[in-house]
Amino acid sequence: EAQVTQNPRYLITVTGKKLTVTCSQNMNHEYMSWYRQDPGLGLRQIYYSMNVEVTDKGDVPEGYKVSRKEKRNFPLILESPSPNQTSLYFCASSPTSGGAKGETQYFGPGTRLLVL
Amino acid sequence: AQKITQTQPGMFVQEKEAVTLDCTYDTSDPSYGLFWYKQPSSGEMIFLIYQGSYDQQNATEGRYSLNFQKARKSANLVISASQLGDSAMYFCAMREGRYSSASKIIFGSGTRLSIRP
Repeated sequence: EAQVTQNPRYLITVTGKKLTVTCSQNMNHEYMSWYRQDPGLGLRQIYYSMNVEVTDKGDVPEGYKVSRKEKRNFPLILESPSPNQTSLYFCASSPTSGGAKGETQYFGPGTRLLVL
Repeated sequence: AQKITQTQPGMFVQEKEAVTLDCTYDTSDPSYGLFWYKQPSSGEMIFLIYQGSYDQQNATEGRYSLNFQKARKSANLVISASQLGDSAMYFCAMREGRYSSASKIIFGSGTRLSIRP
């Protein structure tokens, strides 16, 4: 089954304790992306990756790191989490073939993070 | 700079009526793509419809159509014959550039649609 998986789905942590949220897709997609969703703000892009070893900042990259060493994986790293990073995080992937099918992003189920 | 605006925080519509969700955008790039996503209360993001800036015709997908008015920079989603299952949050989104392979994507703040039986 074609899917994007994220782990963990729920996480409670404390300020300053490094954490990683994993994201994996099994569709051989080139494009992957991380978003955070906060009430009243919609989804905001954190980082995106066009392919292996190619990443770029979205609108809210501060406090986050990413890496793309393999095509299928795109982990999100919070080196020193702070309470303002409490949010719902989505990973997404899409092919780059152009047109409607190429544009469709497949979203993971989301990771709800609480930083105390 | 890219910008997406959804001016309707919430809407109530009677079942079986058509509904239009507004979306305006701003970009200086002649190549861009516009999307609509649905987020039910369960939280997943569901892709609904896509419109490319060079597409000559308005996109349609079943009960969903996109009213694309390029000169006015609007991309409204029209849902015909609304159903109770259409109750959800709806997001408009945009990416600049010809393909999604090299672009940021931005989302609007969303419209919460509630369908009354």
